[in-house]
Amino acid sequence: GQSLEQPSEVTAVEGAIVQINCTYQTSGFYGLSWYQQHDGGAPTFLSYNALDGLEETGRFSSFLSRSDSYGYLLLQELQMKDSASYFCAVNSGGYQKVTFGTGTKLQVIP
Amino acid sequence: DAGITQSPRHKVTETGTPVTLRCHQTENHRYMYWYRQDPGHGLRLIHYSYGVKDTDKGEVSDGYSVSRSKTEDFLLTLESATSSQTSVYFCATIGTPGRGNTIYFGEGSWLTVV
Repeated sequence: GQSLEQPSEVTAVEGAIVQINCTYQTSGFYGLSWYQQHDGGAPTFLSYNALDGLEETGRFSSFLSRSDSYGYLLLQELQMKDSASYFCAVNSGGYQKVTFGTGTKLQVIP
Repeated sequence: DAGITQSPRHKVTETGTPVTLRCHQTENHRYMYWYRQDPGHGLRLIHYSYGVKDTDKGEVSDGYSVSRSKTEDFLLTLESATSSQTSVYFCATIGTPGRGNTIYFGEGSWLTVV
């Protein structure tokens, strides 16, 4: 089966940089993606990595190492509105089975 | 916005009654998913579909069944609701695998089983 591990909570200061790690175990790996969810809302897509390396989208970057079964989400220039839960997810198998981690609750403090 | 609508958005039902949640999408996406979200458990996959009449189980499929008779509709049925199925249910779709594999989520359905 699939399993993903990420820290349950992270606290960071406004303007700082924070990294949220994700390790996974899966068969038939296709890619790792990241989602943001504010309280009461639906998750929204942030980034996707299919190949090793860093993908940058504005203040957010995501990294993947397939050999280490590891990835991270990097948030720069933190803003109060970045306070939310962040989920990593793996796509696996030929039929796009998508499994999520348990999420990391990020609190940004002034 | 992938045009995903879930219905009902909120429902209270009694233990032992059947419940069906509907997910409707207007984007002609092939892949559709049902997740439940509970505190401390993140998003757990219940069932998913990779085409009309093609479905497979996720990690928490016991007590749930699904059907997909049309591309645009994916139904989740609780045959006999239990209190442990009180949760928020999210439907999701993938547009074009490989193009970022973006998953689009519906707004969620809040189900309470009393």
